[in-house]
Amino acid sequence: QKEVEQDPGPLSVPEGAIVSLNCTYSNSAFQYFMWYRQYSRKGPELLMYTYSSGNKEDGRFTAQVDKSSKYISLFIRDSQPSDSATYLCAMSANGNNRLAFGKGNQVVVIP
Amino acid sequence: NAGVTQTPKFQVLKTGQSMTLQCAQDMNHNSMYWYRQDPGMGLRLIYYSASEGTTDKGEVPNGYNVSRLNKREFSLRLESAAPSQTSVYFCASSPWDVSNQPQHFGDGTRLSIL
Repeated sequence: QKEVEQDPGPLSVPEGAIVSLNCTYSNSAFQYFMWYRQYSRKGPELLMYTYSSGNKEDGRFTAQVDKSSKYISLFIRDSQPSDSATYLCAMSANGNNRLAFGKGNQVVVIP
Repeated sequence: NAGVTQTPKFQVLKTGQSMTLQCAQDMNHNSMYWYRQDPGMGLRLIYYSASEGTTDKGEVPNGYNVSRLNKREFSLRLESAAPSQTSVYFCASSPWDVSNQPQHFGDGTRLSIL
């Protein structure tokens, strides 16, 4: 079983819809959770960074972590065409800066 | 603020040729990483350097070598390129501390090996 599982999609939604993305993981030592956004022909850029369980909100973006279920989610409210990108989840254990990545989920927001 | 800069952006090689990919960061980060990204495979760690003077293998190190030239620069070398090394290569950097700060990525080098 791969450490981090992420459905690659693609996911197409109409403009204004809520986008819901998620990852599951198997390593209970993971405590730091990140979401990266990657536009075509660009490098991943950090979108959200959370520690342990709970929710974090930043503008239209909300990240949720459920450590008991080993499940993390990213929600994008009022989605815009500029949100069209690949979203990668990543996570690491305490004291270990090596990241475990999901394969990425392509999102297309249709105007 | 440039962040992480990778050169070149594109390169085409013939099988058996050698090449060095360059990476530099201006964020005073201790740690640097090299990844490759392939369709359906996600990002895979090739090598990393936790701090200046140290390097360690990642998930897919075969066929590659690295040099941590100084705190700013971390290069990746392909000694004898193979078609299986056709990929997009990303360099990243992060502070190395107890709070596991996220990694910051460059925009990649797209490498094709014929």
